[in-house]
Amino acid sequence: DADVTQTPRNRITKTGKRIMLECSQTKGHDRMYWYRQDPGLGLRLIYYSFDVKDINKGEISDGYSVSRQAQAKFSLSLESAIPNQTALYFCATNDGTGGVEQFFGPGTRLTVL
Amino acid sequence: GEDVEQSLFLSVREGDSSVINCTYTDSSSTYLYWYKQEPGAGLQLLTYIFSNMDMKQDQRLTVLLNKKDKHLSLRIADTQTGDSAIYFCAGETGANNLFFGTGTRLTVIP
Repeated sequence: DADVTQTPRNRITKTGKRIMLECSQTKGHDRMYWYRQDPGLGLRLIYYSFDVKDINKGEISDGYSVSRQAQAKFSLSLESAIPNQTALYFCATNDGTGGVEQFFGPGTRLTVL
Repeated sequence: GEDVEQSLFLSVREGDSSVINCTYTDSSSTYLYWYKQEPGAGLQLLTYIFSNMDMKQDQRLTVLLNKKDKHLSLRIADTQTGDSAIYFCAGETGANNLFFGTGTRLTVIP
C-alpha cells in the first residue's frame, strides 16, 4: 500500500465551487506539505504543517486553506475555485528529525472550468 | 524569493550520457536535491549532495556542485528508456522547506 495517498486523483469542477483535496499518510511523519505543479513553473509550496497544531503559509497560499485533522491527515480546500487554480496538486511528508527526503503522494489533477 | 532555473527539455539516445543542469540564486541550502517524476506519479528523491561537497557519485548518477557559480548538474550514464521522466533540482529554504526548479523533461530515444 502507498505510504502517501491523495483523494480524489482527478476532479473537474466549475468556477465558484468549494473543493477539498485530501491527503493521508502511514509513514508516521510530523511534517506535511501541499504543492501545486504547473507546466514550466515546477512545484510551488501552498501550505505546510509541522504538527497537528501548526499551519504555515507557503509561497502561494492565497485562495487556499488547509486543515490538519490528525498527524496522518492534511486536507487542502479551495473555498471558491477559479480557472487559474487548474493544476496538479501534490501532498508530501517529511519526518522532521533531520531526514532530507520528502515523500510525495501520486497527485490530484484538478480542472476548474 | 529563491529562483531556480532549468532547461525545460532534453533528448538523448539510449546508451548516451544525459546531463541536466540547474542554476540557483540562494546559496544557503545545506543540501541540494534531484527528484524524479515519472509519468502519472509523484516525485521521488533520486539523489542529494551536501553543500560542502563538489561531487557525489551513485551508480549511474553523478552530481556536480559548483557553489561559486551556483550551478548544480546531474549526469546519468548509459541512459535507458526507463530514465525518461521529469527531473527537478531543489534546494532548502530557512524553514527546511524545499524550493524546486522548473523541471527538465528527459526523453530517451531508443
